[in-house]
Formats: sequence, C-alpha cells, structure tokens
Amino acid sequence: QLQLQESGPGLVKPSETLSLTCTVSGGSISSSSYYWGWIRQPPGKGLEWIGSIYYSGSTYYNPSLKSRVTISVDTSKNQFSLKLSSVTAADTAVYYCARIMITFGEADYWGQGTLVTVSS
Amino acid sequence: DIQMTQSPSSLSASVGDRVTITCQASQDISNYLNWYQQKPGKAPKLLIYDASNLETGVPSRFSGSGSGTDFTFTISSLQPEDIATYYCQQYDNLPSYTFGQGTKLEIK
Repeated sequence: QLQLQESGPGLVKPSETLSLTCTVSGGSISSSSYYWGWIRQPPGKGLEWIGSIYYSGSTYYNPSLKSRVTISVDTSKNQFSLKLSSVTAADTAVYYCARIMITFGEADYWGQGTLVTVSS
Repeated sequence: DIQMTQSPSSLSASVGDRVTITCQASQDISNYLNWYQQKPGKAPKLLIYDASNLETGVPSRFSGSGSGTDFTFTISSLQPEDIATYYCQQYDNLPSYTFGQGTKLEIK
C-alpha cells in the first residue's frame, strides 16, 4: 500500500523559507505514470495546488506562486521536497503531498498533511 | 488560467435525499474533471476521475457526469457518513490544476 508522509518544521518565521519533504513508501517515485505534487489548504479555506514534479525532475508550478516555489526530487531516497521562500502569514496552511496520475490528473494518494504556521 | 466555479458553497439535506453539486469551468476542459471528498482534519479522498469514473472502492451512490464546461456530482441517497466538503478539480492545462471553492454538505 502506497504511503506518503510529509515532514518539516511546523513553525516558520516571516520572510524565511518554508521547507517540507514528502517520503514515499510502498512504491517507487520513479514511475513514469505519475507526477508528485504539493497542495495546501489555509485554515478554514479551500485547496490550492502549489506545484508538481516528474521523477525526471521536470517541474510545474502554480503561476501565482512560481516566483517563490522550488520543488525537487531525490529518487535515491524516494522523496520529493518543497521550498517556499519569503513566506508571510498568508502562507500558513496545511500542506499536503500527493501522487497525481498523468492520465486525468487525479490525486489518488495523499499524505496526512502537515500544518505550517508562519509567525514570529 | 482556467477558473472553476462550484455551487452551491453549502448544502443541507436529509438522509436519503438526492444531492447534486455543480462545477463550471471557464473554458472547455473536455472531461478532465475530478471530484474529491474531504472530512474535517483529513486529507481529501478521490471519488470520481475523468468526470464520470468511480474510483475503486467508492460506493456506487456517488456519480459524476458532464463534459466541456459543465459538470455534475451526485449522491443518489445521502448517508450520514457523507457529511464532508466536496471539491471539483480540473486538469486540462497539463499539468496545472485548479480546484473549485468547495461545497460543504451538512445533514438537515
């Protein structure tokens, strides 16, 4: 059974960089059938796609966040990571990692999510 | 960017009712539309992909239809465990994604 687990600091100071890692177990991140993505959800609000990465390293970002986002993949560790720079309180959210099918873009496996709070 | 307009934003219904949620895309997205269920404190769960295909293990009371710009999600007979927020998600601008605003479903 595929599992995804987010890890990283739960508290980040304003103007600093948010860094999270998603560890994939029970399957290979190097499959040609999937993208691996980050999605976030501010408290009490809806879902926002942040970006996705293919195992080859090709990346795709939400235009509204593109200038601040970097997603990378480490196939040797079966992990992919998110960096979001110059954070503000508006970046406070639950951050989810997910497996995304290439066929219809459905996110069929999700991590449990991790709350990141931006505060001094 | 493709915008998704989901309605209603909230809905109250009785157990056994037929429930319908709509999602409208700002441009033609063919059938690249997925539906998710999110319960409080949990990650979203995929219910429907490719507009009308039921994900494995999802009860058959859930269904989806539509193509182009107009899509519908239906629960044929509402059950207490269906209380959740439902989201549509488009996948036409490969591989960019947009979610609808969500529909919070409550029991009357």
